[in-house]
Amino acid sequence: EPEVTQTPSHQVTQMGQEVILRCVPISNHLYFYWYRQILGQKVEFLVSFYNNEISEKSEIFDDQFSVERPDGSNFTLKIRSTKLEDSAMYFCASIPPLLDTQYFGPGTRLTVL
Amino acid sequence: GENVEQHPSTLSVQEGDSAVIKCTYSDSASNYFPWYKQELGKRPQLIIDIRSNVGEKKDQRIAVTLNKTAKHFSLHITETQPEDSAVYFCASDYGGSQGNLIFGKGTKLSVKP
Repeated sequence: EPEVTQTPSHQVTQMGQEVILRCVPISNHLYFYWYRQILGQKVEFLVSFYNNEISEKSEIFDDQFSVERPDGSNFTLKIRSTKLEDSAMYFCASIPPLLDTQYFGPGTRLTVL
Repeated sequence: GENVEQHPSTLSVQEGDSAVIKCTYSDSASNYFPWYKQELGKRPQLIIDIRSNVGEKKDQRIAVTLNKTAKHFSLHITETQPEDSAVYFCASDYGGSQGNLIFGKGTKLSVKP
């Protein structure tokens, strides 16, 4: 069964550095999402993406964040200048056509030092 | 904004007993209510979902009930097993179809053998 994949599984970076988290959604899915989960807390919505543009974004998704679908398969989340509080697990998710079930990737653990 | 409240935050049961987790939501436009199970360090896995045109749904030992009037939905696990131990998150969609998911804070379920 196809799954959403994410790379890397763990990223360690210095405060102020840029990071790019990568996701490959399931191939026929049309809606894509990024969520984050700070350790021990709930999953929080960051941004949704459809038809090559942002559909919705949360208050967390400020100017330091951006998303891109540079080709037909990858969906990336960029954090321009990381802060300590960006340390979290970042999950990508996608939805198949005509359905609303979100399938999550395995996550990227981001550690900002 | 949309909010999902989840109770209890922790739940400990004996193997074979039932477990019930309850959630309330605030957005009247919400139509989709999934439940995710998350094991430590892993991705959220969908275990069951319900849509607003249905009051109850069952899948083997797992059932979900929805009361749209009261804006609450519940997860019921019967004949619990140690492998049911995990964190369970309820969620509701925000903004209707293909909307982002708003998650509850999670319930840590421990099933004691």
